[in-house]
Amino acid sequence: EDQVTQSPEALRLQEGESSSLNCSYTVSGLRGLFWYRQDPGKGPEFLFTLYSAGEEKEKERLKATLTKKESFLHITAPKPEDSATYLCAGSQGAQKLVFGQGTRLTINP
Amino acid sequence: EAGVAQSPRYKIIEKRQSVAFWCNPISGHATLYWYQQILGQGPKLLIQFQNNGVVDDSQLPKDRFSAERLKGVDSTLKIQPAKLEDSAVYLCASSFRTVSGANVLTFGAGSRLTVL
Repeated sequence: EDQVTQSPEALRLQEGESSSLNCSYTVSGLRGLFWYRQDPGKGPEFLFTLYSAGEEKEKERLKATLTKKESFLHITAPKPEDSATYLCAGSQGAQKLVFGQGTRLTINP
Repeated sequence: EAGVAQSPRYKIIEKRQSVAFWCNPISGHATLYWYQQILGQGPKLLIQFQNNGVVDDSQLPKDRFSAERLKGVDSTLKIQPAKLEDSAVYLCASSFRTVSGANVLTFGAGSRLTVL
């Protein structure tokens, strides 16, 4: 069964304290690994797509990396505005996204 | 460009009543999705359309949920009769395909349903 598992479920950091979020996946025919950000009361917002092991992408304080079984979202020197739920999803050949349950990140000032 | 529009934003109904949600995707996006997101969980695909046709509805509870996409643009999702466990946010998304073949989904703000 296709599955995406994220850890931890929730993470609380101090402003400036770097950390990483984990996404483990078993998705057959993986076409891409996606990261989305979701703020309360809003729909998920696209951050990155990774296609092959070893690939990395960066955006401001975020960097996403991909291995054959996992993806990591590294957050460097986070700010309170980085607080959100971060969702990971695997894309199958039929264009379907299978989402993990998300990591709820809180950055305290 | 305009985003994915959804309405209503909030709906409260009693169990066994019916409800309908509407979605207008981004212009030119051929693929449209309805996802269900229960509080504290990730979105779960209910149905995927490619233009007018259904691509995947394997997780749609067809005894109570129905969806249609008229003329390959707007879509409606209906629940009849609603159950308590249908309380969730219903997210509509539309997508374009990247050069690699993966679809990048753009989501609407969602319609929050509370069933009492």
